[in-house]
Amino acid sequence: SQTIHQWPATLVQPVGSPLSLECTVEGTSNPNLYWYRQAAGRGLQLLFYSVGIGQISSEVPQNLSASRPQDRQFILSSKKLLLSDSGFYLCAGEGARGTGELFFGEGSRLTVL
Amino acid sequence: AQSVTQPDIHITVSEGASLELRCNYSYGATPYLFWYVQSPGQGLQLLLKYFSGDTLVQGIKGFEAEFKRSQSSFNLRKPSVHWSDAAEYFCAVGNTGGFKTIFGAGTRLFVKA
Repeated sequence: SQTIHQWPATLVQPVGSPLSLECTVEGTSNPNLYWYRQAAGRGLQLLFYSVGIGQISSEVPQNLSASRPQDRQFILSSKKLLLSDSGFYLCAGEGARGTGELFFGEGSRLTVL
Repeated sequence: AQSVTQPDIHITVSEGASLELRCNYSYGATPYLFWYVQSPGQGLQLLLKYFSGDTLVQGIKGFEAEFKRSQSSFNLRKPSVHWSDAAEYFCAVGNTGGFKTIFGAGTRLFVKA
């Protein structure tokens, strides 16, 4: 079965500090991968998706970036965090390409102070 | 443009009562449809999905959903709610092209004793 691992689970960072959230996938190869953000009490906002190594599409202009250095690794980064970057970040993979069926990691809670 | 509407931000039901969560979508072709559940601080778990065939689909944890093309709806139901069902529920549409799954804003379910 397909599994997403995310870390760290919780992170508290000062404004202006860098960020790196990591996501790895097991049980599938060459998956489409996604980074979502959930603000408190709100739905899911798609930030980035990737259809392959080195291929990143950004959905919204923002202070964050994403990279896919390996087939099963997807990284969310920032050089300088803003207060507004606080939220719950979810990595997801597509179970079967083209279906939209996603499997999710457990999420990473980021608090920027 | 494709969209997913969950009209109810939150719903409260008594334990043992029946449940129906509403979902309407806007999409030109027959979409792939999903319901996910999210417990606080956790990732999303797939409850059930509809791709084609029988319009009444069964999922995990005793949930079912019915696809009604004429109403562009995919409502989630459970005949008897348990306290452990308290969570947030997301309806989603896939296979919309562009590698993106579109999520509704979510419905938070509260279960009272």
